Amino acid sequence: NAGVTQTPKFRILKIGQSMTLQCTQDMNHNYMYWYRQDPGMGLKLIYYSVGAGITDKGEVPNGYNVSRSTTEDFPLRLELAAPSQTSVYFCASSNPWGQTYEQYFGPGTRLTVT
Amino acid sequence: KQEVTQIPAALSVPEGENLVLNCSFTDSAIYNLQWFRQDPGKGLTSLLLIQSSQREQTSGRLNASLDKSSGRSTLYIAASQPGDSATYLCAVRGNTGGFKTIFGAGTRLFVKA
Repeated sequence: NAGVTQTPKFRILKIGQSMTLQCTQDMNHNYMYWYRQDPGMGLKLIYYSVGAGITDKGEVPNGYNVSRSTTEDFPLRLELAAPSQTSVYFCASSNPWGQTYEQYFGPGTRLTVT
Repeated sequence: KQEVTQIPAALSVPEGENLVLNCSFTDSAIYNLQWFRQDPGKGLTSLLLIQSSQREQTSGRLNASLDKSSGRSTLYIAASQPGDSATYLCAVRGNTGGFKTIFGAGTRLFVKA
């Protein structure tokens, strides 16, 4: 049971490039989330999904896209990377069973856009 | 709009002290509140989760309380150890609007040996 895994761990992008951050969970959780964390700040929700085929915007969705074709995977796509997207990105999942929705986090992807 | 504030932003204590971290939120219509620990350069580890109907949760040396009506939660750490040094984040999950979670900026704790 690996929990929530994210790839890559680190990435440097040039302005205008695109990339996909991968996230996979093996806990059969319905809910999945993408957050970003800027230095000295809390986490801000980018997008979330309540199940395969269903996604919705969080607080800071501009510049990002997501898809959820399976229960396990929730990739985050950055189109036309900008320096403002330099951040640490965390994927999380939660379990509605027992109605706690306790969130479990991946180790993060550190992205620099130059 | 829900806002979550954590005070203090940083705290330094000698080993063995009991300490309290504070979290306040502006909208009392919450589903639950979760406390996390984050070590430098690492992901978040869940410490305690309190449902809106609960008043407190305990795990080992940690005790988290929730007062929904006043919009406050505290994380009490007993007999602090250098290994407790980390950033502690609280996160509030709403009970409407897709159950979105709002995080505080965290309290950075340093426990001196």
